[in-house]
Amino acid sequence: GQQVMQIPQYQHVQEGEDFTTYCNSSTTLSNIQWYKQRPGGHPVFLIQLVKSGEVKKQKRLTFQFGEAKKNSSLHITATQTTDVGTYFCAGPGRGSTLGRLYFGRGTQLTVWP
Amino acid sequence: EAQVTQNPRYLITVTGKKLTVTCSQNMNHEYMSWYRQDPGLGLRQIYYSMNVEVTDKGDVPEGYKVSRKEKRNFPLILESPSPNQTSLYFCASSLSAGGSYGYTFGSGTRLTVV
Repeated sequence: GQQVMQIPQYQHVQEGEDFTTYCNSSTTLSNIQWYKQRPGGHPVFLIQLVKSGEVKKQKRLTFQFGEAKKNSSLHITATQTTDVGTYFCAGPGRGSTLGRLYFGRGTQLTVWP
Repeated sequence: EAQVTQNPRYLITVTGKKLTVTCSQNMNHEYMSWYRQDPGLGLRQIYYSMNVEVTDKGDVPEGYKVSRKEKRNFPLILESPSPNQTSLYFCASSLSAGGSYGYTFGSGTRLTVV
């Protein structure tokens, strides 16, 4: 079945360092979504990418969708302690699995002050 | 405030005692879904509903039931809970399947089955 893989599983950085998490799907995606879950919290929708090669920015966060629409990345510039949490990518199914949203296992980011 | 409300937030129960976790959304969303989250396994989909009276299985439906009699509510039923269903559960909703506008998640229900 469709799978979404995400690496790394954990990332520990010093405050001010950059951070990147990578997401790869076994199938071409119609869109890819990114979520953030703070410790003890629930996933919160960050952004959706739809077009091949799309790049979107939210302040220090840069999201990319690959040309083949099978991979994506989230890059955080100059991390802050407020960036702590787990970042998930997710891609929807197609056709008979349209109702499915497949999540990667997430990258847990720790930021040391 | 637009939100997905889950109840209860915490629940400790015994093996075999039927329980229901409620989920309600006030955004008129067509699509609703249940996920469980376990350490190292991420979010796994249990069931989803694309509209009233339409439900379908996700990755891990065994041991769970759902119903969608009204648009706003999507309860998760554990007829005979077992310890392997100890987990953190999230309900989510979206305007449409595929989450074209993103999923809105509830605050979660932490279930312990002893």
